[in-house]
Amino acid sequence: DVKVTQSSRYLVKRTGEKVFLECVQDMDHENMFWYRQDPGLGLRLIYFSYDVKMKEKGDIPEGYSVSREKKERFSLILESASTNQTSMYLCAGTTTGLGSPLHFGNGTRLTVT
Amino acid sequence: AQKITQTQPGMFVQEKEAVTLDCTYDTSDPSYGLFWYKQPSSGEMIFLIYQGSYDQQNATEGRYSLNFQKARKSANLVISASQLGDSAMYFCAMREGSLGGSNYKLTFGKGTLLTVNP
Repeated sequence: DVKVTQSSRYLVKRTGEKVFLECVQDMDHENMFWYRQDPGLGLRLIYFSYDVKMKEKGDIPEGYSVSREKKERFSLILESASTNQTSMYLCAGTTTGLGSPLHFGNGTRLTVT
Repeated sequence: AQKITQTQPGMFVQEKEAVTLDCTYDTSDPSYGLFWYKQPSSGEMIFLIYQGSYDQQNATEGRYSLNFQKARKSANLVISASQLGDSAMYFCAMREGSLGGSNYKLTFGKGTLLTVNP
């Protein structure tokens, strides 16, 4: 079965800390994504990657960066965490194809204090 | 402008009745796909159903069907015979296909919270 694993379910960090959110998929998917989910705003795309070392900005990339050194791993980095980055972060992967659904991890709820 | 609009922040339905969740979309790309996801309170995102822009028939998956009206740019989800376990947040999403390659992202709506009453 398809599996996308996010390393932490809950994280609490302090303002100014550098934060790493890790995501691993076992499906050999070319495409991986990071979304954040906030009440009333739905899911908003932060960054995505369609190949190793390739990345593209999504709709809200400010304050974030990503790393994809291996096909199976896609990391989201908060260079200097701020309280407005408190959110649920969802990682997803998909194969090539218009009808290919995104497969999501269980999410990381990040609180920045 | 929003690409995906879900106008119902919340919906209520009685158990065993049918319910329609609205979704309208905006694109000039002739090739696109529409998806519906369910997110229960546990937080996992569950893929429900897919409709391609060139599909002639409305998609169906068990109790889920998609009422696809291309000219009106709407892709409403119909859940038949609602069950208590259907209580969840539902998201409509779209992928625009013509760019291919690097454009496999999905754009999501803000969601509709469905509550099924016993």
